[in-house]
Amino acid sequence: GQQVMQIPQYQHVQEGEDFTTYCNSSTTLSNIQWYKQRPGGHPVFLIQLVKSGEVKKQKRLTFQFGEAKKNSSLHITATQTTDVGTYFCGGSGNTGKLIFGQGTTLQVKP
Amino acid sequence: KAGVTQTPRYLIKTRGQQVTLSCSPISGHRSVSWYQQTPGQGLQFLFEYFSETQRNKGNFPGRFSGRQFSNSRSEMNVSTLELGDSALYLCASSSQGYEQFFGPGTRLTVL
Repeated sequence: GQQVMQIPQYQHVQEGEDFTTYCNSSTTLSNIQWYKQRPGGHPVFLIQLVKSGEVKKQKRLTFQFGEAKKNSSLHITATQTTDVGTYFCGGSGNTGKLIFGQGTTLQVKP
Repeated sequence: KAGVTQTPRYLIKTRGQQVTLSCSPISGHRSVSWYQQTPGQGLQFLFEYFSETQRNKGNFPGRFSGRQFSNSRSEMNVSTLELGDSALYLCASSSQGYEQFFGPGTRLTVL
């Protein structure tokens, strides 16, 4: 069945450093979504990518969808302490089922 | 609009018991999905309901079941609880299969 892998599982950075998390699917995706979960909170939607090779930016966050629509990445420029949390990617295949990766937990040292 | 609500927020059960969790989606949302979250395992998909029909199902044993009512509210049931069922159970609602709006979750502890 469809599997989504996300790396790294944990990342510790110094405030101001960049951060990237990668998402890989075993099957071609119709779309990919990214969510952020703050400690003690619930996942909150960040963005959805649909097109092959798509790149979207939200302030310091850059999201990419691979040409083959099987991988994606989230890059944060100049991290801040407010970026702390777990970032999840979720991919939908032709069944419409949204399968999430294990998440990447980001810690930012001030 | 009110967000997704889940009840109860916390639950303690013993092995062998059964439990029912409830989820009220955002008004107008017809799709409700359930996820199990445990440390290191991320968000494991349980099932999705749309207009009272199970549309998708994850790889969980038959002890996990769910249903959706005509008002889109959904319930999830776990029978014969095991220690490994201890987790945060999240439900999420969506409209047109776009972004998922998650509820605060129900923290289930099985002793």
